[in-house]
Amino acid sequence: KQEVTQIPAALSVPEGENLVLNCSFTDSAIYNLQWFRQDPGKGLTSLLLIQSSQREQTSGRLNASLDKSSGRSTLYIAASQPGDSATYLCAVRPLGTSYGKLTFGQGTILTVHP
Amino acid sequence: NAGVTQTPKFQVLKTGQSMTLQCAQDMNHEYMSWYRQDPGMGLRLIHYSVGAGITDQGEVPNGYNVSRSTTEDFPLRLLSAAPSQTSVYFCASNQVGQPQHFGDGTRLSIL
Repeated sequence: KQEVTQIPAALSVPEGENLVLNCSFTDSAIYNLQWFRQDPGKGLTSLLLIQSSQREQTSGRLNASLDKSSGRSTLYIAASQPGDSATYLCAVRPLGTSYGKLTFGQGTILTVHP
Repeated sequence: NAGVTQTPKFQVLKTGQSMTLQCAQDMNHEYMSWYRQDPGMGLRLIHYSVGAGITDQGEVPNGYNVSRSTTEDFPLRLLSAAPSQTSVYFCASNQVGQPQHFGDGTRLSIL
């Protein structure tokens, strides 16, 4: 059974710092990996989707990498801002499953203080 | 473009009552899913659908029913509510190979 782990569970940094969030998964047989952001009381917003054949994806100050063989992904946030404060979740779609099925990690709660 | 719309946003039920959580998407997505989010457990898949008329079970399907009569709608039914079903419920939709889009959730409390 696929399991997804995110470390650290919580992170507090001063504004302007570059930071890395980690995601690991136990089974490397995946179609893709997604990073989401969740604000308090809200749903999830997709940030980046990396297909299994890709090594990284970038969007603005965000860069996500994928090392499928080692079962790891990282989300790099450059020049963090207080508005980046949220819970960040990673999720994988295992091989052999429907496009509608994702397995989630428990998230990293990020606080960026001014 | 509304995206994924869930209603109601909040609901309190008594044990044994039934109710339907509504989910509608206006993006013509084939795939729709229901998750529940609980502290310490993360998001877990309840049921999903790969198209109108086709549904399947996820990780935690017991106590829930779904149907998909149209592409747009994917309601989740609680047949006889139990306190263990107190949770935040999220509906999501996506197209092949594309990111999932989530609704804002329904916060359900069962007394």
